Amino acid sequence: KNEVEQSPQNLTAQEGEFITINCSYSVGISALHWLQQHPGGGIVSLFMLSSGKKKHGRLIATINIQEKHSSLHITASHPRDSAVYICARADGLTFGKGTHLIIQP
Amino acid sequence: DADVTQTPRNRITKTGKRIMLECSQTKGHDRMYWYRQDPGLGLRLIYYSFDVKDINKGEISDGYSVSRQAQAKFSLSLESAIPNQTALYFCATSPIWGDTQYFGPGTRLTVL
Repeated sequence: KNEVEQSPQNLTAQEGEFITINCSYSVGISALHWLQQHPGGGIVSLFMLSSGKKKHGRLIATINIQEKHSSLHITASHPRDSAVYICARADGLTFGKGTHLIIQP
Repeated sequence: DADVTQTPRNRITKTGKRIMLECSQTKGHDRMYWYRQDPGLGLRLIYYSFDVKDINKGEISDGYSVSRQAQAKFSLSLESAIPNQTALYFCATSPIWGDTQYFGPGTRLTVL
């Protein structure tokens, strides 16, 4: 079964903290997708990555294809980062259940 | 204007009714997807289409059907709605396999 597992399911942190969200998958893939869903419901793409690391602003995503593991990091977290973060197989067939992140001021 | 639109945005219906959710895109993408999202379960794939003539079942296709009327339009139907189909439904598109997906705003469906 093609499973995608995320941890933690819920995370509450203080503003300014360094945040890490993990994603592991059971079947080999060539790329992984990180998405963000704000409380209003809209889903936006953050990163699509197949190797190494990508950075966009305070967000950094890494992937190790051989170890079937990816991480999303947020530096200097801010309350506006509060959202659900979702990892997914790049083919769109399987998604993790999401990590609900709350950043408190 | 949004690249991926869904209609309606909200719908309340009764058990046994036939419901159609529509998705339109202006991105020119061949690949389109329908998902449902339930609390604690995340996004699950209902159907996906690689082009107008290619439609595939996803993880949870029972109770649903789809129609790809054109490259830009992909409709999801619930032939006889039941309460456990109450969920948030998303349409998405992508240009090629493994490329970034673009999501519509979602349709909140309630079946009483």
